[in-house]
Amino acid sequence: QKEVEQDPGPLSVPEGAIVSLNCTYSNSAFQYFMWYRQYSRKGPELLMYTYSSGNKEDGRFTAQVDKSSKYISLFIRDSQPSDSATYLCAMSAEYTDKLIFGTGTRLQVFP
Amino acid sequence: GAVVSQHPSRVICKSGTSVKIECRSLDFQATTMFWYRQFPKQSLMLMATSNEGSKATYEQGVEKDKFLINHASLTLSTLTVTSAHPEDSSFYICSARVSTRSRNEQFFGPGTRLTVL
Repeated sequence: QKEVEQDPGPLSVPEGAIVSLNCTYSNSAFQYFMWYRQYSRKGPELLMYTYSSGNKEDGRFTAQVDKSSKYISLFIRDSQPSDSATYLCAMSAEYTDKLIFGTGTRLQVFP
Repeated sequence: GAVVSQHPSRVICKSGTSVKIECRSLDFQATTMFWYRQFPKQSLMLMATSNEGSKATYEQGVEKDKFLINHASLTLSTLTVTSAHPEDSSFYICSARVSTRSRNEQFFGPGTRLTVL
C-alpha cells in the first residue's frame, strides 16, 4: 500500500465549477500537508501549506485536513481554464525534510 | 517568492556520457536542496537530500556513485548523472528549503528533462 493515495484522473470540469481534489494517507505521523500545482513540463508550484488539522483559505483555494480520517482536500472555486494542470498533494512528518507525494490528479477546465 | 532555477531545461545525450544539472536558488540562501526524479504520470520520488558543505544523503535504492551530488555553496547544488543509460531518461527536479520559512516548505525548480539515446 502506498503511503499517499491520489486519484490520477483526469478530471474534466466546465469553467466556473467547484473542483474537489483529494488524497488519503496511511502514516499517522504526517503533520504537514501541502498542495502543489504542476503545469506540463514544469516544476511544481506550492499552492497551499497547512499544519495539522483544519482549513486554510487563500483566494479561490481552500485546503482541508482531516487527520482522524487521514484525508485531505483541495477545493477550487470558480475554476478557470488556467487552472488546468496536475495537482499534487504532499505530506511530511515532524522533524524531517522529506516530502511524500501523491501521484497527482490531472485537472482540465474547459471554457 | 523564493525562486529556484535549473539548467539546462532539456538535454539529450548518448549512452555512456555524463550529464551535469545545476540547481540555483536565485533570491535566497538554501542550506538544504533536494533532488527528485519524476517518470511520466508518476509521482515525484526523492533521490537525495543535499546539504551545503557536507555529503548528500541518498534515498534507498539510489546509487550514489551514479548520481553525484555537490552542494558547494548556499545557492548552488549540482547533480551529475554518470555514464547515463536510456533507463536514466526522466524529468529531474530540484527543490530548496528556505531556512527562514517553515521546515517543510520546499520551492521547486522548473525541472530538467534528460533523454539518453
